Amino acid sequence: GEDVEQSLFLSVREGDSSVINCTYTDSSSTYLYWYKQEPGAGLQLLTYIFSNMDMKQDQRLTVLLNKKDKHLSLRIADTQTGDSAIYFCAEYLAGGYNKLIFGAGTRLAVHP
Amino acid sequence: DAGVIQSPRHEVTEMGQEVTLRCKPISGHNSLFWYRQTMMRGLELLIYFNNNVPIDDSGMPEDRFSAKMPNASFSTLKIQPSEPRDSAVYFCASGASSTDTQYFGPGTRLTVL
Repeated sequence: GEDVEQSLFLSVREGDSSVINCTYTDSSSTYLYWYKQEPGAGLQLLTYIFSNMDMKQDQRLTVLLNKKDKHLSLRIADTQTGDSAIYFCAEYLAGGYNKLIFGAGTRLAVHP
Repeated sequence: DAGVIQSPRHEVTEMGQEVTLRCKPISGHNSLFWYRQTMMRGLELLIYFNNNVPIDDSGMPEDRFSAKMPNASFSTLKIQPSEPRDSAVYFCASGASSTDTQYFGPGTRLTVL
């Protein structure tokens, strides 16, 4: 079945690293995505990783993929108050489905 | 590029009224998606189009919902008649099928009284 799971809430101190975790179920997923949603706004694509990669780094963002465990994580280095938002993990199902399956989102709260 | 454009941004209507949400995808994208976001159910895919043709409408809740894409630059999602449980934020997203990445619009917040 199709299921993407995330923890619902994460609180970190400004300047610390944040790690948001996600598990997915479909081993045929080709791409895995991280989207960010700020209050009252749409989803903004943060980064994505292709399923044959283990890691992808983009400035303060590091994505780690463990295909064996179907586990995806997003690390935000030096977390800032502007990083406070909801982060959605999504897996792309190909093979005739051609759709994204989203997790419920993790609300990241950054405090001083 | 202006990104995905949705209108209206906010809609308040009374139960039983017809509601039409509009979307203009990013120019050159040939896939368009309609999502609904609620606190209870999270983000749900309602329907998506590829080259203006509906491919998967299995997420459309019921016959009161319909979507059209008359051309590559415009799509509508219509709810008739609307009900309070339709209150949600409706997102449109578009993508270039070659990359499979979806870009979201700002959403329409619908409130049905």
